Amino acid sequence: DAGVTQSPTHLIKTRGQQVTLRCSPKSGHDTVSWYQQALGQGPQFIFQYYEEEERQRGNFPDRFSGHQFPNYSSELNVNALLLGDSALYLCASSGVDRATDTQYFGPGTRLTVL
Amino acid sequence: QKEVEQDPGPLSVPEGAIVSLNCTYSNSAFQYFMWYRQYSRKGPELLMYTYSSGNKEDGRFTAQVDKSSKYISLFIRDSQPSDSATYLCASTGGAAGNKLTFGGGTRVLVKP
Repeated sequence: DAGVTQSPTHLIKTRGQQVTLRCSPKSGHDTVSWYQQALGQGPQFIFQYYEEEERQRGNFPDRFSGHQFPNYSSELNVNALLLGDSALYLCASSGVDRATDTQYFGPGTRLTVL
Repeated sequence: QKEVEQDPGPLSVPEGAIVSLNCTYSNSAFQYFMWYRQYSRKGPELLMYTYSSGNKEDGRFTAQVDKSSKYISLFIRDSQPSDSATYLCASTGGAAGNKLTFGGGTRVLVKP
């Protein structure tokens, strides 16, 4: 059973550019959440997608947007990149256990903005 | 003030010792509490979750939640060098769609 997968593994961009990160959820999961983890800190919630719509959003600017496809996979888009956007971007999937909404994480995409 | 606080460590222990990790939280709406383990440059791996107050044991791991004091603990018995990682506590209200709120993580080093 494949777990949560993310691509690419690493990415280097320059300020002002745009980036798209991809996530495939664990088999049987229909909900995808995205988190940003700066070096030495805990993950911060960006947003969550369910039934192809953004269900909940954290305290991130509109430069961060996303999409969920009919097969439950998801993309995270970041426009006008800033140096401070350098971080590990984590995707988590859930949906089997509705009571706890237990989330399982992928390996992450490490984004470096120069 | 962050909703979930965690001592960043590092916490260094000899192999075989008990590792004791703690978090405090401020949001009374939190009902579910998770512990994740994260190796360097990897994604977090779910270790345990508990609902409301009480204890839960899984092998060498024991999680405790005291909602009256808003205190979360994780104990690792017979620690191994492979337990060296960052441990993240997380909380959520529990309803479908609720975001996870994480502490900053505690780095643990188990020395052979």
